[in-house]
Amino acid sequence: QVQLLESGGGVVQPGRSLRLSCAASGFSFSNSGMHWVRQAPGKGLEWVAVIWYDGSNKFYADSVRGRFTISRDNSKNTLYLQMNSLRAEDTAVYFCATDNPRDDIWGQGTMVTVSS
Amino acid sequence: DIQMTQSPSSLSASVGDRVTITCRATQGISNYLAWYQQKPGKVPKLLIYAASTLHSGVPSRFSGSGSGTDFTLTISSLQPEDVATYYCLKYNSALSWTFGQGTKVEIK
Repeated sequence: QVQLLESGGGVVQPGRSLRLSCAASGFSFSNSGMHWVRQAPGKGLEWVAVIWYDGSNKFYADSVRGRFTISRDNSKNTLYLQMNSLRAEDTAVYFCATDNPRDDIWGQGTMVTVSS
Repeated sequence: DIQMTQSPSSLSASVGDRVTITCRATQGISNYLAWYQQKPGKVPKLLIYAASTLHSGVPSRFSGSGSGTDFTLTISSLQPEDVATYYCLKYNSALSWTFGQGTKVEIK
């Protein structure tokens, strides 16, 4: 069935790195732009980054630009988010989602906790 | 960057009441506006896309309107299962997204 499955979350110390993955199935991943969205505990939804269907363009929120890198491997139907220089304020549930809201395809989320 | 201002931040209404949530963009965004419902610990659920198109399976008491800079989500008759936080989302084709701040809806 149509599915996005995030993985890679966990507890990490400030300043360290983490890579999230989002495995897609049941739809044409290679034809879909993909987003990362996060939600800090008790807070609203915050857009993080987008990558075009072919990886040719990427855009980032100001809060993560220069620290996070979005990428994809269409041969593996997988989206990634490399997170470097992590800060306490990056603590959140991270969701991946397809670009067209009409598709309504979101992952279940993976929790990232940045704490010493 | 285009910003989205959503109001109110919270509301309390009685079962059966008509509820309205608004979202205003700092620039015109045509009809590239979606509405989501999120319950605690759950993934956001799409209600409306293209400002006024009801997503499949969403009850007809939900409706959306607007174009340009001003948008509205209306629940025509509030039900207990509608208790949730609602978000508007500005989207473009494979460009940045912007969410509203959210509106927490409770039953009075």
